[in-house]
Amino acid sequence: DVKVTQSSRYLVKRTGEKVFLECVQDMDHENMFWYRQDPGLGLRLIYFSYDVKMKEKGDIPEGYSVSREKKERFSLILESASTNQTSMYLCASSPATGTNTEAFFGQGTRLTVV
Amino acid sequence: AQKITQTQPGMFVQEKEAVTLDCTYDTSDQSYGLFWYKQPSSGEMIFLIYQGSYDEQNATEGRYSLNFQKARKSANLVISASQLGDSAMYFCAMRERTNFGNEKLTFGTGTRLTIIP
Repeated sequence: DVKVTQSSRYLVKRTGEKVFLECVQDMDHENMFWYRQDPGLGLRLIYFSYDVKMKEKGDIPEGYSVSREKKERFSLILESASTNQTSMYLCASSPATGTNTEAFFGQGTRLTVV
Repeated sequence: AQKITQTQPGMFVQEKEAVTLDCTYDTSDQSYGLFWYKQPSSGEMIFLIYQGSYDEQNATEGRYSLNFQKARKSANLVISASQLGDSAMYFCAMRERTNFGNEKLTFGTGTRLTIIP
């Protein structure tokens, strides 16, 4: 069974804290993605990575950074959390074999910044 | 500019009726892929169906079919004989190459489908 695992289901952090959201996949996929999901806005792409140490900005990268030191792990970092980063965060992975392969999702992390 | 547009925030459909969820997209890529995902209240993302830009036939998977109109840049999801378990959020997504040649997956804002008994 393919698996994408996010380290936490729920997280509460204080404003200004540095926050790490971790995502691990066991499918040897090249591509990994971080999204945030907000009501009425759908899934918005924050960053994605196409190889170890390689990344590209998505549509809303401001306030976030990412790290991919190993192929299976993709971390999303909030350098200084703010209340407007309260959201559901979804990680996904997919192989880099063209456009006909679906992405697999983790269970999501609901982050609340207080 | 929005890459994926889903114009129906919510829909109510009688059980056993067919339903069409709209999706239009915008890309200058010749090779791209279109996906539909279902998200029930539990929050998991469930892959439903895929259509490649070069596929001449519309994709079908059980009760799901994708009405692909390339010239109109439209990829509507059709669910036949709807069931109560079809009540969920539905997202349309597109995979395309970025300017740097990497694969990016972009989603629409979703449609909340409610099936009425």
